[in-house]
Amino acid sequence: EPEVTQTPSHQVTQMGQEVILRCVPISNHLYFYWYRQILGQKVEFLVSFYNNEISEKSEIFDDQFSVERPDGSNFTLKIRSTKLEDSAMYFCASSEFSPGGSLSGELFFGEGSRLTVL
Amino acid sequence: SQKIEQNSEALNIQEGKTATLTCNYTNYSPAYLQWYRQDPGRGPVFLLLIRENEKEKRKERLKVTFDTTLKQSLFHITASQPADSATYLCAHPPDYGQNFVFGPGTRLSVLP
Repeated sequence: EPEVTQTPSHQVTQMGQEVILRCVPISNHLYFYWYRQILGQKVEFLVSFYNNEISEKSEIFDDQFSVERPDGSNFTLKIRSTKLEDSAMYFCASSEFSPGGSLSGELFFGEGSRLTVL
Repeated sequence: SQKIEQNSEALNIQEGKTATLTCNYTNYSPAYLQWYRQDPGRGPVFLLLIRENEKEKRKERLKVTFDTTLKQSLFHITASQPADSATYLCAHPPDYGQNFVFGPGTRLSVLP
């Protein structure tokens, strides 16, 4: 069964360092997302990406964050200068259809990348 | 802005009983609701979707209802098993855009 894969599974970094989290979405999906989950809290939307550009972003997704789809398969999240409060599990997700469309936008999540900022 | 509430942070039930989880939303009525299961340290996994014109949807031991008048969805697991222990998340699509809104989740523990 097709799945979303994420690397690394766990990354420890020093405050102020740059981090890149990588994702390979399901191949025929068109919509890509990053979500964040701080330990014990709810899943929070960061950004959605469609047709090679950001389609929507949340307040969390400030100038320190960027996303890229450098080739036909990878989807990356970069945090330019990490802060302590960036420590969280970051989930990549993809969907075949847009959530707002008439067809359901079921999200397929990866297993997450746990980021620990020291 | 839209908000989702799930009735309790944690729910403990005895094996074999039916677990009922509640999801309430405010403001606009979404075209559909989704339920996901999340195990500790893992990504959410889609379980069921119910549309606004559907009253009930079933899948094996799972049943979801959608009451647009009450702005509520109920998620039932019948004949619950310890393997059903997980956090269950309610989610719905945005009024516009692509920002899925997730509830805080209910952590279900099925005791043997």
